Amino acid sequence: KQEVTQIPAALSVPEGENLVLNCSFTDSAIYNLQWFRQDPGKGLTSLLLIQSSQREQTSGRLNASLDKSSGRSTLYIAASQPGDSATYLCAALMDSSYKLIFGSGTRLLVRP
Amino acid sequence: DAGITQSPRHKVTETGTPVTLRCHQTENHRYMYWYRQDPGHGLRLIHYSYGVKDTDKGEVSDGYSVSRSKTEDFLLTLESATSSQTSVYFCAISAYILSGELFFGEGSRLTVL
Repeated sequence: KQEVTQIPAALSVPEGENLVLNCSFTDSAIYNLQWFRQDPGKGLTSLLLIQSSQREQTSGRLNASLDKSSGRSTLYIAASQPGDSATYLCAALMDSSYKLIFGSGTRLLVRP
Repeated sequence: DAGITQSPRHKVTETGTPVTLRCHQTENHRYMYWYRQDPGHGLRLIHYSYGVKDTDKGEVSDGYSVSRSKTEDFLLTLESATSSQTSVYFCAISAYILSGELFFGEGSRLTVL
């Protein structure tokens, strides 16, 4: 069964800290991997999309990496701010079924 | 922000009644999806569409049907709502099937009493 796992489920850090969120997937035949942010009661906002041919993508303070051989992706957030507090989800398109498989998310709290 | 509008945003209904949720996009994207999000289960795909009148089932399609008569509209219908269908429903769109970024609507919260 294809699965996407995110550890930890919750993370609390002080403002200004650099942090890494982890995402692992069971199938190395990955087409792409996408990171999302979800605020309470809201929809998902796309943060970064990494194609299978890419190793990483950057947007502002965010950097996402992809290592297909180890089945892992990381989302690096530099100089965290309270406004970064949200749930972060990763989703992997792992075969030709045209369906993204989502992780259960990491709930991030950045303390002022 | 991607132009995706879901309606209604909130609905309370009774068991056994039909319910239709609408997703409208202004991006002219080919692919549209319906997901449900539940605590402990995360996001699960209900149905998706790869073009007008072209739809297929996702992993939790039982009890749901969909229709897409126009590029911009994707309807999700619960023919006879049950309490297990109480959930938050999200519509998503993408331009390409294997390389496209997925954009989500704001969600529709459905409560079935």
